[in-house]
Amino acid sequence: EPEVTQTPSHQVTQMGQEVILRCVPISNHLYFYWYRQILGQKVEFLVSFYNNEISEKSEIFDDQFSVERPDGSNFTLKIRSTKLEDSAMYFCASRPQGVTEAFFGQGTRLTVV
Amino acid sequence: GIQVEQSPPDLILQEGANSTLRCNFSDSVNNLQWFHQNPWGQLINLFYIPSGTKQNGRLSATTVATERYSLLYISSSQTTDSGVYFCAVERYNQGGKLIFGQGTELSVKP
Repeated sequence: EPEVTQTPSHQVTQMGQEVILRCVPISNHLYFYWYRQILGQKVEFLVSFYNNEISEKSEIFDDQFSVERPDGSNFTLKIRSTKLEDSAMYFCASRPQGVTEAFFGQGTRLTVV
Repeated sequence: GIQVEQSPPDLILQEGANSTLRCNFSDSVNNLQWFHQNPWGQLINLFYIPSGTKQNGRLSATTVATERYSLLYISSSQTTDSGVYFCAVERYNQGGKLIFGQGTELSVKP
């Protein structure tokens, strides 16, 4: 069964460093999402992406964040200068055209030290 | 925005017991999904259930869209059922953006 894959599963980075989280959505899916979950809290929407552009972004998704679909298969989330409060689980999700069900990856645990 | 409330916030069960988790939402939705977050933090998709009833083994779910709630039933619980259960909904014409509830943390004791 096709699945959304995320790499790495865990990343530790120093405060102020740039980090790129990678996702490979399911191949025929057209809508892509990033969500964030700070430890012990609920999962929050960050950004949606369709047709090579951002469809919607939350207040959390400030200028430090960017998304890209560089090669037609990967979908990346970049954080330019990480802060301690960026430590969280980051989930990628995708869905096909005409279907409302979202398929989630297993997540990347980002730890900023 | 839409409000999603889950109850109870915490639940402790003995192995073999049954349980019902509830998700209330404040507006009409065209997507509702239940997830299980395991101790490693991974989100496991349990059900896509914007309306109706579905069953998968010991788990089943019912969504009554007109009354804006969904229930997740766990029967004959096992220790591996422990973790946090999230309900997430999408309002109509929201481009797939899911709003998550706060979750129900389930602990099944042997």
